[in-house]
Amino acid sequence: EPEVTQTPSHQVTQMGQEVILRCVPISNHLYFYWYRQILGQKVEFLVSFYNNEISEKSEIFDDQFSVERPDGSNFTLKIRSTKLEDSAMYFCASSESGQVNYGYTFGSGTRLTVV
Amino acid sequence: QQQVKQSPQSLIVQKGGIPIINCAYENTAFDYFPWYQQFPGKGPALLIAIRPDVSEKKEGRFTISFNKSAKQLSLHIMDSQPGDSATYFCAAVNAGTALIFGKGTTLSVSS
Repeated sequence: EPEVTQTPSHQVTQMGQEVILRCVPISNHLYFYWYRQILGQKVEFLVSFYNNEISEKSEIFDDQFSVERPDGSNFTLKIRSTKLEDSAMYFCASSESGQVNYGYTFGSGTRLTVV
Repeated sequence: QQQVKQSPQSLIVQKGGIPIINCAYENTAFDYFPWYQQFPGKGPALLIAIRPDVSEKKEGRFTISFNKSAKQLSLHIMDSQPGDSATYFCAAVNAGTALIFGKGTTLSVSS
């Protein structure tokens, strides 16, 4: 079964450092998403991306965050200057269409720890 | 208005029991309600989903009951098994691409 692959599985970074989280979406999917889950809390939407641009973003997704599809397979989330409160599990997802009910698949996540 | 309220926070049942997880929402524009199952160290995986024009949806041992007028829905797991132990999230979508999740219910099924 096709999977969304995320790397690394766990990243520890110093406060103030930049981090890049990487995702390889399912190959025929056109819509890409980032969500985060602070430990013990709900999964929160960050951003959706389609046709090489952001289509929707939440208030969490401020100027410290950016997304990019640098080539035909990768989708990245960059946090420019990490804060302690950025520590969370970050999930990438992809879907075939813009509708959630069509093949919306999550990766296993990257656990980001900011120290 | 964009919130999805889920309860209980945690649930312990014996094998064979029927855990029930509840969700409530305010936004009547929500048009799709998926439920996700998440095992430790994994991403959420779609379990079952329902639209507001249907009052019940059943897939295997999992059933969603939907009360549109009360803006509530619930997930029932029949004949629960230890392998069902996971965190369950209800979610909602409003004609867009972003999922709005509830806070999750951690289910533990003891053998």
